Amino acid sequence: QVQLQESGPGLVKPSQTLSLSCSVSGDSVSSDLYHWNWIRQPAGKGLEWIGRVSGSGSTNYNPSLKGRVTISLDTSKNQFSLNLRSVTAADTAVYYCARESHILGYCGGVSCYFYYLDYWGQGTLVPVSS
Amino acid sequence: DIQMTQSPSSLSASVGDRVTITCRASQNIDIYLNWYQQKPGKAPQFLIYAASTLQFGVPSRFRGSGSGTEFTLTISSLQPEDFATYYCQQSFTTAYTFGQGTKLEIK
Repeated sequence: QVQLQESGPGLVKPSQTLSLSCSVSGDSVSSDLYHWNWIRQPAGKGLEWIGRVSGSGSTNYNPSLKGRVTISLDTSKNQFSLNLRSVTAADTAVYYCARESHILGYCGGVSCYFYYLDYWGQGTLVPVSS
Repeated sequence: DIQMTQSPSSLSASVGDRVTITCRASQNIDIYLNWYQQKPGKAPQFLIYAASTLQFGVPSRFRGSGSGTEFTLTISSLQPEDFATYYCQQSFTTAYTFGQGTKLEIK
């Protein structure tokens, strides 16, 4: 059974860097079958995708975060991490890590892959406050 | 960005009711559409991919449909455990985006 668990500081000051780790059990983060994602949710609001890293270390990020984000793998610890620089109060949220799987299907008669977030961590609240 | 818009934002219904939630995309996303369920204080749970394919273990009372820009999630006979917030998410581009959520409450 795959399990993900977020960890990191309980509070970050404005202008500093928010750093979180996600420990994975039941799977290898270096597997080429999956991507590893970060998603956040401000209190009482919806979900915002932050970015992802593949098992080979390639990344995709939300353009709205304007180059403040880095996601990376630590294969020795079977973890992946999130760094979000120059934070403000607007970055206060519950941060989730999630595994992304894919499956082969058909789109208009042509084969294609469908991607989805099938396993999530429980989430960790990170307030940004002085 | 592809914008995802859900309607309604909230919905009151009773156990046994049939409900439908709509998700609209700002451009054609074919069937690259996922649905998630979130209960208070919990992480989202994955329900449906490719607009209509249920994840293993999801009850058959859940049904997804649609393609292009308009999608629906229908729950055919609401059970007490179905009262939650539902999100759609597009995977057409890797800048994934979610709908704002539809909160399903007990009437």
